[in-house]
Amino acid sequence: QQQVKQSPQSLIVQKGGIPIINCAYENTAFDYFPWYQQFPGKGPALLIAIRPDVSEKKEGRFTISFNKSAKQFSLHIMDSQPGDSATYFCAASTLGAQKLVFGQGTRLTINP
Amino acid sequence: EAGVAQSPRYKIIEKRQSVAFWCNPISGHATLYWYQQILGQGPKLLIQFQNNGVVDDSQLPKDRFSAERLKGVDSTLKIQPAKLEDSAVYLCASSLDFPRETQYFGPGTRLLVL
Repeated sequence: QQQVKQSPQSLIVQKGGIPIINCAYENTAFDYFPWYQQFPGKGPALLIAIRPDVSEKKEGRFTISFNKSAKQFSLHIMDSQPGDSATYFCAASTLGAQKLVFGQGTRLTINP
Repeated sequence: EAGVAQSPRYKIIEKRQSVAFWCNPISGHATLYWYQQILGQGPKLLIQFQNNGVVDDSQLPKDRFSAERLKGVDSTLKIQPAKLEDSAVYLCASSLDFPRETQYFGPGTRLLVL
């Protein structure tokens, strides 16, 4: 119930392509869904986050799509660049618990 | 604004030895978190402090792990005795306060237990 399942584990996309990373959850009490970006040797950094009262949120080239009925959410990166190559984690939490539950991560490689 | 500081960055120890990690959160951040990130997995919360007090330590292996936050600022995480399966990156994060404040992560301490 506390798990967040993330796929794919790894993804290779050509520059300019649109990588899509998917996450699914079971706990309907989750009400906050952030995405984190992690470069080698660094800690994760918040990229974008969404709450279940909206179906989509866009910040620059990054978009979260949220499907409450399916209990799924996804990250899309428009016009991807080699500098976007990193590991991406989805996460979820409830307002009461505050504890972030992370997915397994997706290692994204953008080829020039 | 200075980020979350952690030390050491790397540590190699033998099993059954003890080890301690240090974290200095962003100034003014009331909430501090310790996460364990095993290779190829997402971070897992070990313990969460709100100022001096523990908010959540449900996933902390209390028989070998301990943590404290002195005066509501710096924090140390200790493992005694270490096991092979403790090899991981230990991440410290901090946030301004409840609720739903962004968590800012430090660079982590990479621990290898031989």
